[in-house]
Amino acid sequence: EIVLTQSPATLSLSPGERATLSCRASQSVSSYLAWYQQKPGQTPRLLIYDASNRATGIPARFSGSGSGTDFTLTISSLEPEDFAVYYCQQRSNWPLTFGPGTKVDIK
Amino acid sequence: EVQLVESGGGLVQPGRSLRLSCAGSGFTFDDDAMHWVRQAPGKGLEWVSGISWNSDGIGYADSVKGRFTISRDNAKNSLYLQMNSLRAEDTALYYCAKDNSGWPNYFDYWGQGTLVTVSS
Repeated sequence: EIVLTQSPATLSLSPGERATLSCRASQSVSSYLAWYQQKPGQTPRLLIYDASNRATGIPARFSGSGSGTDFTLTISSLEPEDFAVYYCQQRSNWPLTFGPGTKVDIK
Repeated sequence: EVQLVESGGGLVQPGRSLRLSCAGSGFTFDDDAMHWVRQAPGKGLEWVSGISWNSDGIGYADSVKGRFTISRDNAKNSLYLQMNSLRAEDTALYYCAKDNSGWPNYFDYWGQGTLVTVSS
């Protein structure tokens, strides 16, 4: 099983600041990695797939990068609605796995 | 509009069984792989099982392998999860999720979930 590790566990930032979230895989997943956003009481939303492709309707301030074992989700300028938990997920190998999440909260 | 509606959750004793269902609409159901993803209260997301568009590809998390069985009926636009030998650690909100392709990849639409509570 591929284990995904996310850092930091919590990121405290102010609106307008840049957020950089990390996801590391225990072995190479090539570019087969996605990012999801989940707000309290809501279902997860697909943001990025195949490491760097924005899903339908996702604002340009969200971007993804990386390949192999190291990946980054960047939010260029935080909007109030971006404070949430972010998960990475790999589809390179069965079983599919998620990371533990990074909470982005308001400083 | 894509809709996924789960049903079948509830309170069940350890060791017993439960069958979850998910009805899909607003998309061509037999084009896409489908999944079950769960989230224990206050915890993160855990992929449980996925099935390809034609049921040729099926996978399970290690934590449920041998106890849970995923299936689909494309004629009824429905996804199922048969859960046997339930344990307390299976307590979670179970989401039905649509894949963005015919083979298991990523989850582009999610239902609201059905709560499963395993307790005596």
